[in-house]
Amino acid sequence: KAGVTQTPRYLIKTRGQQVTLSCSPISGHRSVSWYQQTPGQGLQFLFEYFSETQRNKGNFPGRFSGRQFSNSRSEMNVSTLELGDSALYLCASSFSVRTDTQYFGPGTRLTVL
Amino acid sequence: GIQVEQSPPDLILQEGANSTLRCNFSDSVNNLQWFHQNPWGQLINLFYIPSGTKQNGRLSATTVATERYSLLYISSSQTTDSGVYFCAVERLRSGNTPLVFGKGTRLSVIA
Repeated sequence: KAGVTQTPRYLIKTRGQQVTLSCSPISGHRSVSWYQQTPGQGLQFLFEYFSETQRNKGNFPGRFSGRQFSNSRSEMNVSTLELGDSALYLCASSFSVRTDTQYFGPGTRLTVL
Repeated sequence: GIQVEQSPPDLILQEGANSTLRCNFSDSVNNLQWFHQNPWGQLINLFYIPSGTKQNGRLSATTVATERYSLLYISSSQTTDSGVYFCAVERLRSGNTPLVFGKGTRLSVIA
């Protein structure tokens, strides 16, 4: 069974631009969560989606948004990029909601110049 | 929110040595997972262990939920074990709160 895939793997943007990251969960998994990882803040929760519904959102500004499609694929969008948005963005999928083993993708490394 | 503390923050081992990593959490949990992040950033799930003991090869984990801690044991360490080990928990009866990660233990295994 194929693992969680994320595209693109690397991205360089400039301040003020917007970016869309994509995550395809393991086949059959309906829950997708997004995390931001930075050296200073560690791993921080962004959102969780289950069956196209956002179940929870972390403490991030409204510039961060996401959605999930009927095939469970998920996208997250960051508008008006800031230097501090440079991070590794990780997506995780699980069969059901969080009380279940989570499987992570390889991540998208975003650099904002 | 729930606090997760991992110790030690850094660990250097000679290949073949054993180690114990600890995760303390501040509230009752219904979900606890251990992950290994390799040098390329990939997070691998090691154990889903809200309570009890599990073993997988050279790795084993024990969670004592009543005392709010979990231990990850690595035996006969290999250089491929290097990376950062994270503990993540979800508070019991939390409704819609997410997994909260500790800051990790950075392990370096030297040949």
